[in-house]
Amino acid sequence: EVRLLDSGGGLVQPGGSLRLSCTASGFTFSSFAMSWVRQAPGKGLEWVSGITDTGNGAYYADSVKGRFAISRDNSKNALFLQMNNLRADDTAVYYCAKEEGKIGRPLFTNWGQGTLVTVSS
Amino acid sequence: EIVLTQSPGTLSLSPGERATLSCRASQTVGDTSLAWYQLKPGLAPRLLIFGASSRAAGIPDRFSGSGSGTDFTLTIDRLEADDFAVYYCQQYDGSATFGGGTKVEIK
Repeated sequence: EVRLLDSGGGLVQPGGSLRLSCTASGFTFSSFAMSWVRQAPGKGLEWVSGITDTGNGAYYADSVKGRFAISRDNSKNALFLQMNNLRADDTAVYYCAKEEGKIGRPLFTNWGQGTLVTVSS
Repeated sequence: EIVLTQSPGTLSLSPGERATLSCRASQTVGDTSLAWYQLKPGLAPRLLIFGASSRAAGIPDRFSGSGSGTDFTLTIDRLEADDFAVYYCQQYDGSATFGGGTKVEIK
């Protein structure tokens, strides 16, 4: 059974940093691209960032480019999202998601339960 | 960027009824690269439909998807208590975008 466990969320002040983690099990982690998707309170879903299976390619939404960095450690079946210079509009539940399909055309087949990030003073 | 518009925003139905959810794209979604997800508070989102009409593993056949081009539909037959949730469409013909969601609530 595929399982994705998100963690690392919390309360942070504007301008602060936070690192999210996602631990995967039940599938060959190193064979799949992964993404982070978020949902702000009362809003819809927004794709945030994706990374290729090897970690050699990373992609970002314009809203987080230059502030967020995605990475992975295939030896530990782990996905990360380093979030810097956080703003109030980054407040959201962040989900990690397993991708399938063509590179750059992500279908999200499995999701974590989400971790809440709150940016507030 | 392909913009997806879902309607209605909220659907109020009784158990046993049929739900029909619409997703309209601002431009053609190639290769029917359209998926539907179910979201419930505190739970992991669940993939229901991919390729516009293919059910994901373990999804009951009460859920069906149809459409192509710019107009897509998710139909849920014989609504059960567990089906009351928020549903999102997503296109993956390029960088992923999602619709605004349709909430299916108990009437």
